[in-house]
Amino acid sequence: EDQVTQSPEALRLQEGESSSLNCSYTVSGLRGLFWYRQDPGKGPEFLFTLYSAGEEKEKERLKATLTKKESFLHITAPKPEDSATYLCAVQAIKAAGNKLTFGGGTRVLVKP
Amino acid sequence: DAGVTQSPTHLIKTRGQQVTLRCSPKSGHDTVSWYQQALGQGPQFIFQYYEEEERQRGNFPDRFSGHQFPNYSSELNVNALLLGDSALYLCASSLEGRGLFFFGQGTRLTVV
Repeated sequence: EDQVTQSPEALRLQEGESSSLNCSYTVSGLRGLFWYRQDPGKGPEFLFTLYSAGEEKEKERLKATLTKKESFLHITAPKPEDSATYLCAVQAIKAAGNKLTFGGGTRVLVKP
Repeated sequence: DAGVTQSPTHLIKTRGQQVTLRCSPKSGHDTVSWYQQALGQGPQFIFQYYEEEERQRGNFPDRFSGHQFPNYSSELNVNALLLGDSALYLCASSLEGRGLFFFGQGTRLTVV
């Protein structure tokens, strides 16, 4: 069974204090690993898809990396508007219909 | 271009009642998935519809059922509501064969 574990569960940062979020996964053949951002009471917003170990993607202050067992979401010099829950999900090659298996998320709070 | 839209945004029901939630996929998308997200947790896959048929189902009881219409819109029905069914229900759409899912804003269901 596919599993995704995210750590830490919560992260409090000062504005400008860079940090990393971890997503560990086990899947029988990875089709893709996804990062989403979710604001309170809203639906997840797509950030990145990573497909193979060594791949990296960047968007503004966010950078996602992928190894064979985990992914990291690096937040560089965060601003208060980066406060959100960040969700990691995997998609298995064998998954009919490409369903996503999510981790529990990391709640990030950036204080000015 | 409208994204994924869900209705209603909020709903309060009594235990034992039945509820129907609705989803219109992003323009051009033909596949709809439903997820349940309890407070403080990651989304859990309920089922997916493609070509008006349920293609894959997660670990949810038969009280949860769905439908997809010829215009690709979808409904999620939950019978005999339990207090534990209180959650944010998310609809995600994609184009068949493409693994990238876009989410709606969700329907917040409260069972009292």
